[in-house]
Amino acid sequence: NAGVTQTPKFQVLKTGQSMTLQCAQDMNHEYMSWYRQDPGMGLRLIHYSVGAGITDQGEVPNGYNVSRSTTEDFPLRLLSAAPSQTSVYFCASTARRLADNEQFFGPGTRLTVL
Amino acid sequence: GENVEQHPSTLSVQEGDSAVIKCTYSDSASNYFPWYKQELGKGPQLIIDIRSNVGEKKDQRIAVTLNKTAKHFSLHITETQPEDSAVYFCAASIIKDFGNEKLTFGTGTRLTIIP
Repeated sequence: NAGVTQTPKFQVLKTGQSMTLQCAQDMNHEYMSWYRQDPGMGLRLIHYSVGAGITDQGEVPNGYNVSRSTTEDFPLRLLSAAPSQTSVYFCASTARRLADNEQFFGPGTRLTVL
Repeated sequence: GENVEQHPSTLSVQEGDSAVIKCTYSDSASNYFPWYKQELGKGPQLIIDIRSNVGEKKDQRIAVTLNKTAKHFSLHITETQPEDSAVYFCAASIIKDFGNEKLTFGTGTRLTIIP
């Protein structure tokens, strides 16, 4: 199993550009999430999904869109990038099981918006 | 919503000594408390977790304690080694009917083990 994979690893954007951060998992996990990590602020939840076709907002959803058309993929879209979105982005997945609640994280995407 | 506070933000410990990191949470409904270790350039990795029906859990040199009344939980690392140097995050979650949908994280503790 590759676990949770994210692409790209690094990205530089100009203000106003759009892009999609890719996330995929091969563990057949129902739950998937996107977090951003900023210095001194830990990880904050952007959006999450409890299954294909179902998404919901987290703590900091503004400026981001998500969709979940398959169990495996959960892309994060920035429609018009802003410098405040400079951050490290992590995707995570969890099995829909009461007895096993570990969230598995991908390696992250470091995004810089100029 | 849930708020998780974590202290200290940095911690330096002599190799072989113990390290303790503390977290408090605000939502009394939270019932799942994991601890994650993040090494440089990598994603967080679960090292230990505890549910609200348990007061303490131990895994070799790592232990977690939970005080539901006071709404705080702590990570204890004994006999620290250089490879324990990393950033540690606590988190809290409300486990619903079918599992863990989302986590609220603390702000992290940078632990440095001094050889």
